Amino acid sequence: GAGVSQSPSNKVTEKGKDVELRCDPISGHTALYWYRQSLGQGLEFLIYFQGNSAPDKSGLPSDRFSAERTGGSVSTLTIQRTQQEDSAVYLCASSLGKNNEQFFGPGTRLTVL
Amino acid sequence: SQKIEQNSEALNIQEGKTATLTCNYTNYSPAYLQWYRQDPGRGPVFLLLIRENEKEKRKERLKVTFDTTLKQSLFHITASQPADSATYLCALREATGANNLFFGTGTRLTVIP
Repeated sequence: GAGVSQSPSNKVTEKGKDVELRCDPISGHTALYWYRQSLGQGLEFLIYFQGNSAPDKSGLPSDRFSAERTGGSVSTLTIQRTQQEDSAVYLCASSLGKNNEQFFGPGTRLTVL
Repeated sequence: SQKIEQNSEALNIQEGKTATLTCNYTNYSPAYLQWYRQDPGRGPVFLLLIRENEKEKRKERLKVTFDTTLKQSLFHITASQPADSATYLCALREATGANNLFFGTGTRLTVIP
């Protein structure tokens, strides 16, 4: 079956522009995570959605970052007024629940010039 | 401060030998620990989970141990093959019930034919 998909696979933008990254989780997975992976760094948690509950936004690094999940399925991560330090691979993962195995998408590589 | 350290950034091993990767954590109380494999340009793929009350888990050529006294997990690949070459990540879930996994920075394993 289909796994987690993310788009675009690569995004190059200029400093100060806004970007939107999309994640399509596995059908039926109620939990969805966004992580950021910078060169030489471990995966950094950004945000967690579980069903219709309020999202856990504790990992978002600044108010320039926001995410939504529509209809309990597709999620969009938005970064406003991008900075060079936002350059990283943004990974999305979904699972049946918080304590279940996470299935990761291929990531979106964001480069801010 | 909290840290998850994977002992070496890169590990080279001869085909057929056993690869041993180490994950040490500081100032966490894990409920369980997971190991993931990540290939270049791809998202991590779940391999094994071991709970804090378990000493050892096996899956085919993979073995994971967990020592909560030493605050350490070891990940072994026996009879290693060139196809095992990848980056291996450890991740833990805190017993506090935090929603996210905390990831180490990974060890890049190269199996030399």
